[in-house]
Amino acid sequence: DTEVTQTPKHLVMGMTNKKSLKCEQHMGHRAMYWYKQKAKKPPELMFVYSYEKLSINESVPSRFSPECPNSSLLNLHLHALQPEDSALYLCASSFREIRHEQYFGPGTRLTVT
Amino acid sequence: KQEVTQIPAALSVPEGENLVLNCSFTDSAIYNLQWFRQDPGKGLTSLLLIQSSQREQTSGRLNASLDKSSGRSTLYIAASQPGDSATYLCAVRPGETSGSRLTFGEGTQLTVNP
Repeated sequence: DTEVTQTPKHLVMGMTNKKSLKCEQHMGHRAMYWYKQKAKKPPELMFVYSYEKLSINESVPSRFSPECPNSSLLNLHLHALQPEDSALYLCASSFREIRHEQYFGPGTRLTVT
Repeated sequence: KQEVTQIPAALSVPEGENLVLNCSFTDSAIYNLQWFRQDPGKGLTSLLLIQSSQREQTSGRLNASLDKSSGRSTLYIAASQPGDSATYLCAVRPGETSGSRLTFGEGTQLTVNP
């Protein structure tokens, strides 16, 4: 299994809603990542988890809250988002945090109304 | 600060043509470089990973080269097909210990016309 899965594929939420994005991999990777990608721009790193511990937070607003309950699962909890947070949210994983090839999921298209 | 540039930003070619996509980076102290493909609204698919000690990597019709000293990489696509139409991104990984931060280029949008 060489796949990173993400659910849901699409999400529309209001600014007062609370929702969560889910990412899963079963490749035995111990590093997992959240990226945000706006249209026609490259992905921007948000968070990195290594061995289920938060390793990097790229100064992301607190309305985004990551969680790594186990080595295969990564969540991104969303609360009180703004319309400018609408984007494609990508999850990735790698064998270890340092230097290894990253494998990306298909993304969740988020629209904040 | 590492900067990655991809030229051209967009490229349109007829089917069957061989083509080269370019990627340049400002800091040659990289650990490796990764080429990705992205279809519209989809995730990134890893195409090739070149370690800093390597000169090139091949996969099928794709060949990626790396000249670390001059800060350049190329992705060569042989006998292009309409299914190759996508955005191609290169990303470099720094040589320091915080090596998980990929620096991406802006991408080259490729269209292969039947």
